[in-house]
Amino acid sequence: QVQLVQSGAEVREPGASVKVSCKASGYTFSYYYMHWVRQAPGQGLEWMGIIHTNSGSTSYAQKFQGRVTMTRDTSTSTVYMELSSLRSEDTAVYYCARGGAVSKRQWGYFEYWGQGTLLTVSS
Amino acid sequence: EIMLTQSPGTLSLSPGERATLSCRASQSVSSSSLAWYQQKPGQAPRLLIYGASSRATGIPDRFSGSGSGTDFTLTISRLEPEDFAVYYCQHYGTLAPHTFGQGTKLEIK
Repeated sequence: QVQLVQSGAEVREPGASVKVSCKASGYTFSYYYMHWVRQAPGQGLEWMGIIHTNSGSTSYAQKFQGRVTMTRDTSTSTVYMELSSLRSEDTAVYYCARGGAVSKRQWGYFEYWGQGTLLTVSS
Repeated sequence: EIMLTQSPGTLSLSPGERATLSCRASQSVSSSSLAWYQQKPGQAPRLLIYGASSRATGIPDRFSGSGSGTDFTLTISRLEPEDFAVYYCQHYGTLAPHTFGQGTKLEIK
């Protein structure tokens, strides 16, 4: 069965960086796009960006351009999301979510989600 | 970027009643690019509907989606206790930024 398992909760000070991981299993990793979505406390869902798990190419929401970097390691079927210059407003649960098939060039909807990683940014 | 507006913000109903949730896009979108999710406290969202009207695997048939152009609807025909949650619509354009509506909270009356 498809599983996306994320790394554990993180606490960072303002100005620091964080790197969250998402390990995929139960399917061929490089066949599907992977997205990152975040949710601030009591708020809605916010799309951050996408990584093509085969080529490694990325596309980020304009809001996060320059602060976010998404990478992947095909040998371990893991994607990473690094967010830098953290501020208190970045406190949120961060989710990875599997998108569409890369062969169809469809970024797709999110049938499978990770369990979420809580990031707390506080001094 | 396409904006999605969901209404109402909160919907108070009783088990057994019919729920109708709305999602309006700022410009016309393809029906094949509209999804609905359910989220319960402390859980990741769950895909309910994709392509505006196709139920995801394992989703009960009391959930249905409809609509086209700028107006889309999620209908829950007879509410079960486990249906009370927050619902989000999503636009997932082809090779374009994804957007979510702000959510509708479905609460027990």
